[in-house]
Amino acid sequence: GAVVSQHPSWVICKSGTSVKIECRSLDFQATTMFWYRQFPKQSLMLMATSNEGSKATYEQGVEKDKFLINHASLTLSTLTVTSAHPEDSSFYICSAWETAVLTDTQYFGPGTRLTVL
Amino acid sequence: AQTVTQSQPEMSVQEAETVTLSCTYDTSESDYYLFWYKQPPSRQMILVIRQEAYKQQNATENRFSVNFQKAAKSFSLKISDSQLGDAAMYFCAYRSASTNAGKSTFGDGTTLTVKP
Repeated sequence: GAVVSQHPSWVICKSGTSVKIECRSLDFQATTMFWYRQFPKQSLMLMATSNEGSKATYEQGVEKDKFLINHASLTLSTLTVTSAHPEDSSFYICSAWETAVLTDTQYFGPGTRLTVL
Repeated sequence: AQTVTQSQPEMSVQEAETVTLSCTYDTSESDYYLFWYKQPPSRQMILVIRQEAYKQQNATENRFSVNFQKAAKSFSLKISDSQLGDAAMYFCAYRSASTNAGKSTFGDGTTLTVKP
């Protein structure tokens, strides 16, 4: 099956710094990727839809200037958490749909654990 | 907007026995997809089973099967012959068929414990 990778898998940063998380579709092209945030023992909360070559679509309540999304190619989307604060500590998951074959399956990355000190 | 409800925050089952996880959803659409995902302690989301709303036949994948009741908007997951590796958080999800590569709506999840 299709594989989605995320890098890094775990990152610790100081408050006020920025952190970039990469999401790659390894063996397929993805025009659309999704970024989720998940707190322990809770559901996935959709943050934004990342569209290749265009601006991301953010869900209500998600700060666009804080969570910058760039989908520069058909295999890579990045999420940058700017001026991170301890409340941004969470588990971030990306997912992608395979576009060559229009299946109804989204493939998830393994997630990135962000800890802001 | 569509909503997905999982009314069982936690469930437990004895190894080798059968357990059913509940899911209900609310939608005004007639064409959509439903999914069950498993999230083990590694937190990697894994697709367990998928159901197309236009199909009357319930989907099955080895020990996993669903009971899809379209009129009742119910989509339960049955796990037969439960194994220790089935212990995980399970999420029910809905996706509209009206757009390709659309976003999914997830339920709050059910944590399944398997007792040896």
